[in-house]
Amino acid sequence: AQTVTQSQPEMSVQEAETVTLSCTYDTSESDYYLFWYKQPPSRQMILVIRQEAYKQQNATENRFSVNFQKAAKSFSLKISDSQLGDAAMYFCAYRSAYYAGGGADGLTFGKGTHLIIQP
Amino acid sequence: EADIYQTPRYLVIGTGKKITLECSQTMGHDKMYWYQQDPGMELHLIHYSYGVNSTEKGDLSSESTVSRIRTEHFPLTLESARPSHTSQYLCASSGELYNSPLHFGNGTRLTVT
Repeated sequence: AQTVTQSQPEMSVQEAETVTLSCTYDTSESDYYLFWYKQPPSRQMILVIRQEAYKQQNATENRFSVNFQKAAKSFSLKISDSQLGDAAMYFCAYRSAYYAGGGADGLTFGKGTHLIIQP
Repeated sequence: EADIYQTPRYLVIGTGKKITLECSQTMGHDKMYWYQQDPGMELHLIHYSYGVNSTEKGDLSSESTVSRIRTEHFPLTLESARPSHTSQYLCASSGELYNSPLHFGNGTRLTVT
């Protein structure tokens, strides 16, 4: 079974600064997908960014980018020019590209990192 | 704006009551999921469905049950609520491709007294 580890329960950053959230995962599969989700307080979980494991190029979405290191099984999220609206729980998630018909193909989540933005 | 809807948003109920948490999506997705989010915010898959009349238990054992009679609807039922069922329940749906993200509802925060 795959596992996802987020080693930072909480991170704090000054508004307009850059912050990096860490994520590592354990898998024996060669093809999979990785996601970062954001969950603001009492609000809907939304997708921030996704990465296909077969792509070497790191995904970027506006101020959000990832550093995907497949050999190291690392998938960190960088948030540039942090804004107050970025304050949320951030979850790293893994999804297998294989479905053998015997189990769930939903996401496996890390425990989350609580991001605080200091004005 | 959410394409997946959960009701109620908050529910406080006494021990022993039967409850149903509603989840509907308008995206035509065959794949739907229920996650339980504990107070520490960790998410655990408790049920999933790949289409009408398909339901399976997830990684975390749960006393709840689910049904999938219509593609758009995936309700979760607790026959007899207990304080240990107090949690946030998140419903999600996904397209067929494995790189498809899960779309989440706003969640139902359940408190059993």
